[in-house]
Amino acid sequence: KNEVEQSPQNLTAQEGEFITINCSYSVGISALHWLQQHPGGGIVSLFMLSSGKKKHGRLIATINIQEKHSSLHITASHPRDSAVYICAVNGGDGGATNKLIFGTGTLLAVQP
Amino acid sequence: KAGVTQTPRYLIKTRGQQVTLSCSPISGHRSVSWYQQTPGQGLQFLFEYFSETQRNKGNFPGRFSGRQFSNSRSEMNVSTLELGDSALYLCASSGTTHEKLFFGSGTQLSVL
Repeated sequence: KNEVEQSPQNLTAQEGEFITINCSYSVGISALHWLQQHPGGGIVSLFMLSSGKKKHGRLIATINIQEKHSSLHITASHPRDSAVYICAVNGGDGGATNKLIFGTGTLLAVQP
Repeated sequence: KAGVTQTPRYLIKTRGQQVTLSCSPISGHRSVSWYQQTPGQGLQFLFEYFSETQRNKGNFPGRFSGRQFSNSRSEMNVSTLELGDSALYLCASSGTTHEKLFFGSGTQLSVL
């Protein structure tokens, strides 16, 4: 079993829909990252959070440390949101590091 | 501010050769971490450097090594290349740790 699990693996939505991507992890963590990867490889960090909720534009990320679960929400989705969304955790190994454990990603396609 | 720069963008090598990849972090960032991305294994952590010291290493063979210079630029080296080393190699920088990561565009390595 992977230490970081994402669901769904694939998601197709119509423009304007509300989208939720889930991430569950089984290790102790110090922080969780949501990343976006477009075709061609470039990765952009969307959020880094260790508690609560963060919002940036149409994107909202939440984390529940007790349940070891995080969600990424996209409101009013747009075709330009089409990308792979990756959840990654800083393993809580006691040190402050960027040693990340990655989920397998969610491929999102937003159709006009 | 210039972003994270990785060179070269593409590289083709043959089995048994060695390769050196370069990463220039955002000015002022002291943490540089390296990741390997393959279709089969997804994203995996290679190593992290902070102020010229390797702080963490992932589960890769000793053929994979790296270093960081006093100006925070980092290089990774892979010796005795194998076909399975074909991958996208990404580096990311942050000011310290537990900060948002900024990724380079990656080096696409093909081993023939």
